[in-house]
Amino acid sequence: SAVISQKPSRDICQRGTSLTIQCQVDSQVTMMFWYRQQPGQSLTLIATANQGSEATYESGFVIDKFPISRPNLTFSTLTVSNMSPEDSSIYLCSYQKAPNYGYTFGSGTRLTVV
Amino acid sequence: SQQGEEDPQALSIQEGENATMNCSYKTSINNLQWYRQNSGRGLVHLILIRSNEREKHSGRLRVTLDTSKKSSSLLITASRAADTASYFCATDGGSNYKLTFGKGTLLTVNP
Repeated sequence: SAVISQKPSRDICQRGTSLTIQCQVDSQVTMMFWYRQQPGQSLTLIATANQGSEATYESGFVIDKFPISRPNLTFSTLTVSNMSPEDSSIYLCSYQKAPNYGYTFGSGTRLTVV
Repeated sequence: SQQGEEDPQALSIQEGENATMNCSYKTSINNLQWYRQNSGRGLVHLILIRSNEREKHSGRLRVTLDTSKKSSSLLITASRAADTASYFCATDGGSNYKLTFGKGTLLTVNP
């Protein structure tokens, strides 16, 4: 499976600012997925990022808060905008090689908003 | 919304013992997957079982699936301290390539 490099691995940010998280895959993948994991919780899908079209957001997540870019088949970014302490979470990107394969995840970005 | 529910929420055992975690889900699935997460890092895919399979093995892992009860179990045999992690089940409905995760089981294996 292709490897995902995710950065930054962690950051501490001031409220009201924005952070952009990057994921680079070492081969082309059709869809990439962005998840949020709040402290002590499970993973919740934020959006699906397709190359050449707007991301598809899940209920409770909006583009103004979590803009996503997918400029090519190997790269995607998630921005957490106008951050508040409630945005403190681990954010993870992932992809699936093919149907009925396991998903590969980035190593996660641990975000703390103060 | 969360699809899967794991139990127990936390499990503490001694090295060498077996660990069993259960997962229940609510809707039809294409497959069910188990993942491990060490200390809030990225997830590692462990094993996938398709909806038409009942049991699958991979090394010290054994997964069962009962689609009539909408449940799955993960058995880790002869556990090691390095198995200490959170374990999540995730269902793949197949139609939109999205994974829906359960709440996870925190496994602690004591040396």
